[in-house]
Amino acid sequence: DAEITQSPRHKITETGRQVTLACHQTWNHNNMFWYRQDLGHGLRLIHYSYGVHDTNKGEVSDGYSVSRSNTEDLPLTLESAASSQTSVYFCASSESRVGTETQYFGPGTRLLVL
Amino acid sequence: DAKTTQPPSMDCAEGRAANLPCNHSTISGNEYVYWYRQIHSQGPQYIIHGLKNNETNEMASLIITEDRKSSTLILPHATLRDTAVYYCIVSFHSGGGADGLTFGKGTHLIIQP
Repeated sequence: DAEITQSPRHKITETGRQVTLACHQTWNHNNMFWYRQDLGHGLRLIHYSYGVHDTNKGEVSDGYSVSRSNTEDLPLTLESAASSQTSVYFCASSESRVGTETQYFGPGTRLLVL
Repeated sequence: DAKTTQPPSMDCAEGRAANLPCNHSTISGNEYVYWYRQIHSQGPQYIIHGLKNNETNEMASLIITEDRKSSTLILPHATLRDTAVYYCIVSFHSGGGADGLTFGKGTHLIIQP
């Protein structure tokens, strides 16, 4: 069955370190997204991609970067981790089809920055 | 994306129908209404979406008012596993790309045994 996976599921790092969170989908979807969710809040969009070599900034992109070298993967990099980036990170994917915004979400990565 | 308003929490007895309201008074003509839910600590899960007509699938029914300014998600026979935060989102997807979903705080639905 097609799926979307994230790794690692849990990560502890120190302030200032570079961290990369992986997202892999086997839906063959063109669109991929990264969101963060802080305690008691909804999800906020960090970056998204419409396809290979395409990336776009979302609502809260400062301090994060993504690259899309193939259809299946959209890794999220924290260039220099900050305590404010402690959060749960969700990756999602969707088809490029008019009238649908149905996104399929991964299980999430819990990141703690000390 | 248009803004939505949902009650912060609701209770429902197990086995009864759960009716979750959502106001989206500024929705535009080409925006769809989507419902997702998030069970504790898991990624959000798509439930259903619609434009104008009422929709039903194996999980739920979506009732959209004629003026499209509000909608109701109906879980016909709620179980304990339906306890989750439910998000109502309005969004338009042109097909050429997507801007991502705008999540509010949603409604925390608690199913009581």
